[in-house]
Amino acid sequence: GENVEQHPSTLSVQEGDSAVIKCTYSDSASNYFPWYKQELGKRPQLIIDIRSNVGEKKDQRIAVTLNKTAKHFSLHITETQPEDSAVYFCAASIASTLTFGKGTMLLVSP
Amino acid sequence: GAGVSQSPSNKVTEKGKDVELRCDPISGHTALYWYRQSLGQGLEFLIYFQGNSAPDKSGLPSDRFSAERTGGSVSTLTIQRTQQEDSAVYLCASSPLAGGVDEQYFGPGTRLTVT
Repeated sequence: GENVEQHPSTLSVQEGDSAVIKCTYSDSASNYFPWYKQELGKRPQLIIDIRSNVGEKKDQRIAVTLNKTAKHFSLHITETQPEDSAVYFCAASIASTLTFGKGTMLLVSP
Repeated sequence: GAGVSQSPSNKVTEKGKDVELRCDPISGHTALYWYRQSLGQGLEFLIYFQGNSAPDKSGLPSDRFSAERTGGSVSTLTIQRTQQEDSAVYLCASSPLAGGVDEQYFGPGTRLTVT
């Protein structure tokens, strides 16, 4: 089955800096790659996703890049703000199910 | 509209007891997923429903775990003879897509504590 590795497990940045979280996946048939944000005590929510027919997608301060050859994808957050502090999960999908990474705890200090 | 709801929000049970966890998906969503989230861990896939059928049960950790979905809506996850290692937050998610994969909308979870 699919295996998703996510790094780093924790990331501390100063407000205004950029943050990058990286994931690798094992199954070349995966074709959908979402990122979820989970604030403390809350449910995960989708922040951005990318499908295998594109290499990059942006939404304001958030961008995701996908390298299908290398089987890795990354989340980029620019101009970080304290409210970006949360756990971020990447995932990869074949067919109808998602395999999640173990998460990255992002802490943005004012 | 109403999001995904789960009940109970918290459940404390004694080792060896059976528990039932309920998920009410968003109305009209055909796909429903159960995940388990342990402290500091990611989201562990348990089972996926398309309508009332479960094409993928590969994530159920043992035969003590079972799930059903009726009327293409409500789902129940049952854990029999609970063990301490079953303690976790159980999350349910639903998705509108029939076949393929799309955004999953998560419920608030049920925190299960086995003493």
